[in-house]
Amino acid sequence: SQQGEEDPQALSIQEGENATMNCSYKTSINNLQWYRQNSGRGLVHLILIRSNEREKHSGRLRVTLDTSKKSSSLLITASRAADTASYFCAPHNFNKFYFGSGTKLNVKP
Amino acid sequence: DGGITQSPKYLFRKEGQNVTLSCEQNLNHDAMYWYRQDPGQGLRLIYYSQIVNDFQKGDIAEGYSVSREKKESFPLTVTSAQKNPTAFYLCASSSGPFGEQYFGPGTRLTVT
Repeated sequence: SQQGEEDPQALSIQEGENATMNCSYKTSINNLQWYRQNSGRGLVHLILIRSNEREKHSGRLRVTLDTSKKSSSLLITASRAADTASYFCAPHNFNKFYFGSGTKLNVKP
Repeated sequence: DGGITQSPKYLFRKEGQNVTLSCEQNLNHDAMYWYRQDPGQGLRLIYYSQIVNDFQKGDIAEGYSVSREKKESFPLTVTSAQKNPTAFYLCASSSGPFGEQYFGPGTRLTVT
């Protein structure tokens, strides 16, 4: 499958802790994007990292990309209860995105 | 306000009926996409369109059809040939093939 695969499938942490989610994929990519989905809603774009980039920051988000290992990670620092959602990585290749099944993050207040 | 809208939010149909899901965007995006999401699953691509009057099959196009007569609109028809149509359907658009996707709020279709 060309889909991204997120790990872990579920993650439960306390407010204030950091949350790390990993993504692996199988093909070459143009870029890799991370999205967030609150229950029953559409997805919201978080961050895009190009294939020639290794790290990118946006607010409390830090994304890394290792194309040699075909993997990416999303770090959310100082998590808040409002960060509770599902997070999806989407490797992009040939005009398509390949969404994985997501990591379900629960941040306990 | 710029954005992407889908209607209706909930849709109920009897088995054997075709049903059309609406997707409209005012972001002036060239590319539009339809995805299907099943409970606890990721998104699977049904169809996508990079430009008006052109569209391509995604990974699970069987039992679905689309049209792209206007830049703003990309309706999806779920036909009676789709064996398991009950799902959450998401429409998205992007300014180009490599950019971030903007998603609509989704339509939850239930077929009984």
